[in-house]
Amino acid sequence: NAGVTQTPKFQVLKTGQSMTLQCAQDMNHEYMSWYRQDPGMGLRLIHYSVGAGITDQGEVPNGYNVSRSTTEDFPLRLLSAAPSQTSVYFCASSPGWTGTQYFGPGTRLLVL
Amino acid sequence: SQELEQSPQSLIVQEGKNLTINCTSSKTLYGLYWYKQKYGEGLIFLMMLQKGGEEKSHEKITAKLDEKKQQSSLHITASQPSHAGTYLCGADPNTGNQFYFGTGTSLTVIP
Repeated sequence: NAGVTQTPKFQVLKTGQSMTLQCAQDMNHEYMSWYRQDPGMGLRLIHYSVGAGITDQGEVPNGYNVSRSTTEDFPLRLLSAAPSQTSVYFCASSPGWTGTQYFGPGTRLLVL
Repeated sequence: SQELEQSPQSLIVQEGKNLTINCTSSKTLYGLYWYKQKYGEGLIFLMMLQKGGEEKSHEKITAKLDEKKQQSSLHITASQPSHAGTYLCGADPNTGNQFYFGTGTSLTVIP
């Protein structure tokens, strides 16, 4: 039982490049979410999903896309990276939209 | 605007001292969660409070929920270096699906 896994752990991008941050969970949780963590800002919700095929925007969705084709996977896509997207990204899952969330180890992204 | 305000933002204590971290909500609290984050790692769930007046303890960490004040406190007794890290409170949404977090309190415990 791996819990929530994220890849890569660290990534450097140039402005304008695209990439996908991977997130997977093996707990059969319906609810998954992506957060970014910045100094002094705490954790801010980017996108979330309440089940396969269903996604919605969080507090800071601009510049990011998500999809949820399976219960297990919830990738986050940056279509055209900007320096403002330099951050630490966390994926989380929970059995429902209320309740304890289980977090992945994070992906550190640097956009030059 | 921040819906969950944590205080203090940072705390440095001597090992063995007690400390309290507060989390105040601008909205009615329907469920309050405490997490701990070590530097460079993900968040680890500590405990959840759902009812007014509820108090939970895990080892030397106690959390309380005051619904009337829309506030929760996290108290650590006889702090140890292993308690160091950032503590974040999080709250259940009463409408919609957007769980939200406080900005965190950074705790340093000096041996």
